[in-house]
Amino acid sequence: DADVTQTPRNRITKTGKRIMLECSQTKGHDRMYWYRQDPGLGLRLIYYSFDVKDINKGEISDGYSVSRQAQAKFSLSLESAIPNQTALYFCATSDSVGQPQHFGDGTRLSIL
Amino acid sequence: DQQVKQNSPSLSVQEGRISILNCDYTNSMFDYFLWYKKYPAEGPTFLISISSIKDKNEDGRFTVFLNKSAKHLSLHIVPSQPGDSAVYFCAASGPGAGSYQLTFGKGTKLSVIP
Repeated sequence: DADVTQTPRNRITKTGKRIMLECSQTKGHDRMYWYRQDPGLGLRLIYYSFDVKDINKGEISDGYSVSRQAQAKFSLSLESAIPNQTALYFCATSDSVGQPQHFGDGTRLSIL
Repeated sequence: DQQVKQNSPSLSVQEGRISILNCDYTNSMFDYFLWYKKYPAEGPTFLISISSIKDKNEDGRFTVFLNKSAKHLSLHIVPSQPGDSAVYFCAASGPGAGSYQLTFGKGTKLSVIP
């Protein structure tokens, strides 16, 4: 079983719909992250959380919200999806500062 | 303002030869650097890292070199194998704004030709 699991793996939806992407981990890490990857742009940080009661905005948080339901679960929501949010989304976890982040296999989101 | 730059979008290398992937950074506060490898339809996988107190770190066929004065790091893969064909991302972190969050480059697609 994967240590960092993202659901769904693929999603096609329409403009204006509310979307939730979910991430769960079995690594026991406190820190969780959501990234977005666009072609030719690398990975950009959307939100991150250092524990259940901690939520922080990343580089590109506008249009997104997150919820840290438990240590193992971190979900990303698009309240009203728009086409330029079409991208590959990755969840990641890490143990502490200075430790590598471990990524899920991503969710490919297409907004028509 | 791109703080981590990978100026080569792609690189082709013959099997058995050395692959050298380059990365430049602009933020002098960065003190921890990582390389990730990504296959299609998978998430990035951590490959190797280096702290700014070192100038070299080696792990099997993979070696990362850090030149702090030039704000440059490179990943050497020797010998290159077809299974190394992937996109390689350079990432950096450090104290200051963002509290040690990772800043990624845009990636270099490595193709190892059998």
